[in-house]
Amino acid sequence: GAVVSQHPSWVICKSGTSVKIECRSLDFQATTMFWYRQFPKQSLMLMATSNEGSKATYEQGVEKDKFLINHASLTLSTLTVTSAHPEDSSFYICSAPPGQGRYEQYFGPGTRLTVT
Amino acid sequence: QKEVEQNSGPLSVPEGAIASLNCTYSDRGSQSFFWYRQYSGKSPELIMSIYSNGDKEDGRFTAQLNKASQYVSLLIRDSQPSDSATYLCAVNYRFGNEKLTFGTGTRLTIIP
Repeated sequence: GAVVSQHPSWVICKSGTSVKIECRSLDFQATTMFWYRQFPKQSLMLMATSNEGSKATYEQGVEKDKFLINHASLTLSTLTVTSAHPEDSSFYICSAPPGQGRYEQYFGPGTRLTVT
Repeated sequence: QKEVEQNSGPLSVPEGAIASLNCTYSDRGSQSFFWYRQYSGKSPELIMSIYSNGDKEDGRFTAQLNKASQYVSLLIRDSQPSDSATYLCAVNYRFGNEKLTFGTGTRLTIIP
């Protein structure tokens, strides 16, 4: 398979502060990464597609100014939740396809965000 | 709008039996199909990928694809309690770095 890591695995922050979550592909280069959010007992919800060297593509209803995505290199994408509020508390997960003729996507372990 | 549908379950299967999970998709042009397993509180883990009609076997898992019927399934033989999880069906419209369309998942419980 291919390995995707996320950091941190969990984070608690105060309302109004910003939190940055990192997603790294450890053994492959990822020109594209995907960011998801999942609330308890609900399905995965795609938030945005992160493209290396260009702007992210956000899904309908996702505030691009609140969820800032930067894909600065072929192995790193970051998601920053700005001015976090309790309703942003969720499980954030990234995924990436390894490319080179392989079409499956591998998920990071996820980051659990709690906003107090 | 591309849709992927799964029976949400819960599906209960006795230990040692065969668990059968089903998925239908709406876009006839879909090219690649995946099954993920998600334990509670964890991220999804890739179980199987299938791209052409027919069966694909990997250990206790068999994926079946029928593009004419727009149907993909996952069979788990000799079900174990550790197979208890939510199984997500995912479809990609075409090959490449495209976003996956996920079903809502089927919750599977293996009864010892």
